Amino acid sequence: QKEVEQDPGPLSVPEGAIVSLNCTYSNSAFQYFMWYRQYSRKGPELLMYTYSSGNKEDGRFTAQVDKSSKYISLFIRDSQPSDSATYLCAMTPNAGGTSYGKLTFGQGTILTVHP
Amino acid sequence: NAGVTQTPKFQVLKTGQSMTLQCAQDMNHEYMSWYRQDPGMGLRLIHYSVGAGITDQGEVPNGYNVSRSTTEDFPLRLLSAAPSQTSVYFCASSYSFGTGVFGYTFGSGTRLTVV
Repeated sequence: QKEVEQDPGPLSVPEGAIVSLNCTYSNSAFQYFMWYRQYSRKGPELLMYTYSSGNKEDGRFTAQVDKSSKYISLFIRDSQPSDSATYLCAMTPNAGGTSYGKLTFGQGTILTVHP
Repeated sequence: NAGVTQTPKFQVLKTGQSMTLQCAQDMNHEYMSWYRQDPGMGLRLIHYSVGAGITDQGEVPNGYNVSRSTTEDFPLRLLSAAPSQTSVYFCASSYSFGTGVFGYTFGSGTRLTVV
C-alpha cells in the first residue's frame, strides 16, 4: 500500500463548479501538507501548504487537513478553465533537517474545467 | 530569471549508455532533490541533498548517482541506462524552513527515453 493515496481521476467539471480533491495517507508522522499544480509538460508549482490540522484559504483555494482521519483536501471555488491541470498532494514529517528533503507525493488528479 | 534550470529537455539513450542530467539553481537554496514522474505513480524521490557535500537516497535510487560539490549544482548520473528508466525527471530546490519560505521550486523537467 502506498503511503499517500490520491484518486487519479480524471475529473471533469463545468466552469464555475466547486472542485474537491482529496488524499489519504498512512504515515502519522506527516505534519506538513502541500498541494502542487502541474500544467501539461511543465514542472509542479506550489499552490498551498498547511501545517498540522486545520484550514487555510487563499483566494478561490482552500486546503483542509484532518490528521485524525489522515485525510487532506483541496477545494477550488468558482473553477475556471485555467485551473485545468494535474493536482498533486505532497507531505513530509518535518520542515527542516534531513526529512524535509523527502517529500512523499500522491499520484496526482487530472482536472479539466470546461467552459 | 531566477529558478531551477534543467538540461537537456529531451534525451534518447540506448540501453547501457550513461549520461548526466544537469540541474542548476540560482536562488542559493540549501535543499535540492531529484524526482522521476511516471504515469499513475506521481513523483518518486531518487536522491536529495541538504547542502553542499551532503546527499542521501530517496525511494528509488538504484541505477542513479548524485553529487553536490556546490550549492548551485546537483547533477544526476545514469550509470547504465535501462528501459525502466524511461521517465520524466524533475529537479527541485528549496530554502530551509528557518528562512520562513516553504516549499520546493521545480525545474521544467527532462524527458528521457531509453531504447
